Amino acid sequence: DIQMTQSPSTLSASVGDRVTITCRASQSIGTWLAWYQQKPGKAPKLLIYQASSLESGVPSRFSGSGSGTEFTLTISSLQPDDFATYYCQQFNSHLGVTFGPGTKVEI
Amino acid sequence: EVQLVESGGGLVMPGGSLRLSCAASGFTVTNAWMTWVRQAPGKGLEWVGRIKGKTDDETIDYAAPVKGRFTILRDDSKNTLFLQLNSLKSEDTAVYFCTTGLDMREDFSRSWGQGTLVTVSS
Repeated sequence: DIQMTQSPSTLSASVGDRVTITCRASQSIGTWLAWYQQKPGKAPKLLIYQASSLESGVPSRFSGSGSGTEFTLTISSLQPDDFATYYCQQFNSHLGVTFGPGTKVEI
Repeated sequence: EVQLVESGGGLVMPGGSLRLSCAASGFTVTNAWMTWVRQAPGKGLEWVGRIKGKTDDETIDYAAPVKGRFTILRDDSKNTLFLQLNSLKSEDTAVYFCTTGLDMREDFSRSWGQGTLVTVSS
């Protein structure tokens, strides 16, 4: 299976900051990548799919980019509601579906 | 409105079995790709397995740690997905989420249930 890594594992930021989270795959996955946001005690929420497609209803301050083995999730101006844990997921089913370990965004 | 409601979790002894249910509403499970994802306490997300829709030959795939022990089933008449868990181990302790990509026939999850907790312990 493909291994996914995320950096940083924890990120301290303030409201209004531009935040970037990096996700790397152990081999090329094209653009078969999704990003999720999870808050404590809640189910994850899809933010981005196909590396850069914004899910309907997700604020435009979230954006995704990348292809192959390196991807980024960017929050252009961090809002109070954005403090959460973020996971990347590669979903090329031929290579096994795997999640990254998560990045916690805290104040 | 799309809704997924899991049930069936609980405390089970190592080696035991459990069947989780996921009742879907607002869409039809028959042609949707339906996935189970789990999360051990305080840990990250782990893909468990998926059944493709009828138009994609209902192919089922499992993650290596559960292959041969877990089975995904679907009852179209009840619009419900199931996860049969057998030969349970302590490391299977987790919240189990039912998810779907809805109209997207890919292995990412557009809609999630609230999860059901499975605890494997003696």
